[in-house]
Amino acid sequence: QQQVKQSPQSLIVQKGGISIINCAYENTAFDYFPWYQQFPGKGPALLIAIRPDVSEKKEGRFTISFNKSAKQFSLHIMDSQPGDSATYFCAAATTGTASKLTFGTGTRLQVTL
Amino acid sequence: GAVVSQHPSWVICKSGTSVKIECRSLDFQATTMFWYRQFPKQSLMLMATSNEGSKATYEQGVEKDKFLINHASLTLSTLTVTSAHPEDSSFYICSAMGHLQETQYFGPGTRLLVL
Repeated sequence: QQQVKQSPQSLIVQKGGISIINCAYENTAFDYFPWYQQFPGKGPALLIAIRPDVSEKKEGRFTISFNKSAKQFSLHIMDSQPGDSATYFCAAATTGTASKLTFGTGTRLQVTL
Repeated sequence: GAVVSQHPSWVICKSGTSVKIECRSLDFQATTMFWYRQFPKQSLMLMATSNEGSKATYEQGVEKDKFLINHASLTLSTLTVTSAHPEDSSFYICSAMGHLQETQYFGPGTRLLVL
């Protein structure tokens, strides 16, 4: 019940295209859903996060879509660029004291020219 | 804002020695810090959670006597890998969380290689 399932494992998108990464969770106690971007040899960096009281959140080219009833959320990267090539992790947490993150397995995105 | 640093960024040591990794929150007070381990092409594995001034809480399967964690202040946590062996070679990443207890901000990671 603590798992967060992420797909696809890897993704190749042409420059200018839309990258879509999906995550699904089981634990209805989760109330915070961040996405992290990680470049090789670096720590993850917070990209964007959403709470279940909204269905969509947009920050620049990055959008999170959230479907509470389906217990799914996704990351959309519009106008994908080669610099977006990285590994993306979705995560979920129940906020409050010691709110641990449950991470997805990661998606390796490659944006080609 | 919300910058977390780690030192060193990489370390090579001989088998049997101990290695200390520092994690600092530079511009906020971290009431909670987390330590993760990451193997190549895998997700992050939580090792332990620490709150300032109290003992760390270790995840199941993590040897607390091998991975010593100290959260001495609101801006500093240390991970000491004691009697390191080649199988301890990995990428260690810390994260810090402020008093709102919501967002974890990650450090840049420390690559440990035990020969």
